[in-house]
Amino acid sequence: AQTVTQSQPEMSVQEAETVTLSCTYDTSESDYYLFWYKQPPSRQMILVIRQEAYKQQNATENRFSVNFQKAAKSFSLKISDSQLGDAAMYFCAYRSPLSSNNNDMRFGAGTRLTVKP
Amino acid sequence: ETGVTQTPRHLVMGMTNKKSLKCEQHLGHNAMYWYKQSAKKPLELMFVYNFKEQTENNSVPSRFSPECPNSSHLFLHLHTLQPEDSALYLCASSQEAPGAQFFGPGTRLTVL
Repeated sequence: AQTVTQSQPEMSVQEAETVTLSCTYDTSESDYYLFWYKQPPSRQMILVIRQEAYKQQNATENRFSVNFQKAAKSFSLKISDSQLGDAAMYFCAYRSPLSSNNNDMRFGAGTRLTVKP
Repeated sequence: ETGVTQTPRHLVMGMTNKKSLKCEQHLGHNAMYWYKQSAKKPLELMFVYNFKEQTENNSVPSRFSPECPNSSHLFLHLHTLQPEDSALYLCASSQEAPGAQFFGPGTRLTVL
């Protein structure tokens, strides 16, 4: 079974600085999807960014970008120009390829990000 | 309304009560999920429905009973719960492609 590991329970960053959140996963599949979700305190979990494993180019969404290292099974999230609103729990998630008919998603334990003004 | 909605947002119940959680998605997705989120633990997938058919039940106790009458609605019926069932229950939906799940705001459940 696929597992997702987030080795940093907590991280902090100064406002306007850059922070990188780590995620590694274990899988024997060659094609899959990876996601980062953000869950602000007492608020809804929202999708931040997604990456298809067959794409070599790292995904980018405004201030959020990933460093996808397929051979190393690593999928880190970089937040540039951190803002106070970025403070949240961040979850890394793995989803099997569509061909597997497996609809579920594996989540990491999460990293709590604090942004200091 | 748009996205995924859940009601109620907060629920307090005794161990002998029967209650239901409701989830509705307005995204035209064909898969829906129930997750349990407890403090300091990864999200636990409970149930998966694909085109109204249950495709996964991750060894969830029978005191949790899901129901999916159509691809837009998902219920979680609760009865004789235990205090350790207190958690945030999240509903999500997805389409086959591109594969991302979209979450509702959750129901914060407290079992006394």
